[in-house]
Amino acid sequence: LAKTTQPISMDSYEGQEVNITCSHNNIATNDYITWYQQFPSQGPRFIIQGYKTKVTNEVASLFIPADRKSSTLSLPRVSLSDTAVYYCLVGDFMDGGSQGNLIFGKGTKLSVKP
Amino acid sequence: DAEITQSPRHKITETGRQVTLACHQTWNHNNMFWYRQDLGHGLRLIHYSYGVQDTNKGEVSDGYSVSRSNTEDLPLTLESAASSQTSVYFCASSEGTSDRGVNEQFFGPGTRLTVL
Repeated sequence: LAKTTQPISMDSYEGQEVNITCSHNNIATNDYITWYQQFPSQGPRFIIQGYKTKVTNEVASLFIPADRKSSTLSLPRVSLSDTAVYYCLVGDFMDGGSQGNLIFGKGTKLSVKP
Repeated sequence: DAEITQSPRHKITETGRQVTLACHQTWNHNNMFWYRQDLGHGLRLIHYSYGVQDTNKGEVSDGYSVSRSNTEDLPLTLESAASSQTSVYFCASSEGTSDRGVNEQFFGPGTRLTVL
């Protein structure tokens, strides 16, 4: 199982770009990297998923270096509503029979201040 | 629209009672999961299912059971509730396999369970 390490917490101010890095040194060839966001009293919500290089959607960007041993979630111009816990997961998401091996961990608590 | 629902949203019970938490999804997903979330522990997997009649134990399965008789539902049963099972429970579902290039888990709103 690919173990991930990410900061416990981060602080930012409105309008800034926030980068949250996740380490996953023993990522396997078939593993994808996925980030979820969780607001208080709600279930986690999918943000972005990637395999290599860069992925961008309307919410965030995901940067993955060539060795894939780490990844960085980038949130452009955060607002107060981006205050949440962010989880980095690594696993073979495309293999339904492996999804029970996914580990959420404790995530990174991002606090955005005015 | 497809969705995943949980009921009840809040439950208070007594030690030793049997409790069942419901999870229903209309995504027609093969995979369904139950997690618990406690302060300081993040999300931990209890049980999961890859399809009808399939169930598997997760990281913290002791004291819990599930059954999968159809695609839409995965009820979670606490056989004899204990105070240590006071927690927030989340159900999730996902596609069995994906050729879309993206495969995510969709989470329900959660059930807050208190065992007195």
